[in-house]
Amino acid sequence: QQQVKQSPQSLIVQKGGISIINCAYENTAFDYFPWYQQFPGKGPALLIAIRPDVSEKKEGRFTISFNKSAKQFSLHIMDSQPGDSATYFCAASEYGNKLVFGAGTILRVKS
Amino acid sequence: ETGVTQSPTHLIKTRGQQVTLRCSSQSGHNTVSWYQQALGQGPQFIFQYYREEENGRGNFPPRFSGLQFPNYSSELNVNALELDDSALYLCASSFGGSRLEQYFGPGTRLTVT
Repeated sequence: QQQVKQSPQSLIVQKGGISIINCAYENTAFDYFPWYQQFPGKGPALLIAIRPDVSEKKEGRFTISFNKSAKQFSLHIMDSQPGDSATYFCAASEYGNKLVFGAGTILRVKS
Repeated sequence: ETGVTQSPTHLIKTRGQQVTLRCSSQSGHNTVSWYQQALGQGPQFIFQYYREEENGRGNFPPRFSGLQFPNYSSELNVNALELDDSALYLCASSFGGSRLEQYFGPGTRLTVT
């Protein structure tokens, strides 16, 4: 059973544009929602994370929007750059225990 | 501050063999989690160790086992290797308690032939 559904599978954005990746979850016990960035041959790197008591969190060009009633959350990358080209994973967990990952989104930013 | 390190970087094993992968957690972290990432997929949780005790296990068979040492480093052991065990094995460390962030190492690429 896939507990975190991520879309789109791949995304092409022009340099300077906004990249938007969406995730939906089923388990209402999840209380921590991080996003990871992974480059080929590397481990995932923590980008930004949110708890369900806030609806939005911004760190630099990265923003998480969270909709608890819809059980959905999304990552927005503003002013996307070619260096942002990577695979992005959303995840969810209950109190820091096992992370349940989405299937990933391959982002390509065209210069 | 030292990040999460893993060894070896990659290795090739034959079906039926056994393998041990190693992970050194980030300085100050007492919790280690192991994940398996098949090609083109998201990481799948194997198990977590907190203060040398197993603290949760994913849907993996008993031939996947682990250890955590007093210095919080960890090992993942896989017995009776199968072709489907070919994957990137990731270790993540975290502080535990109220701090939830998990930081991943570079992974070990295991190929089973």
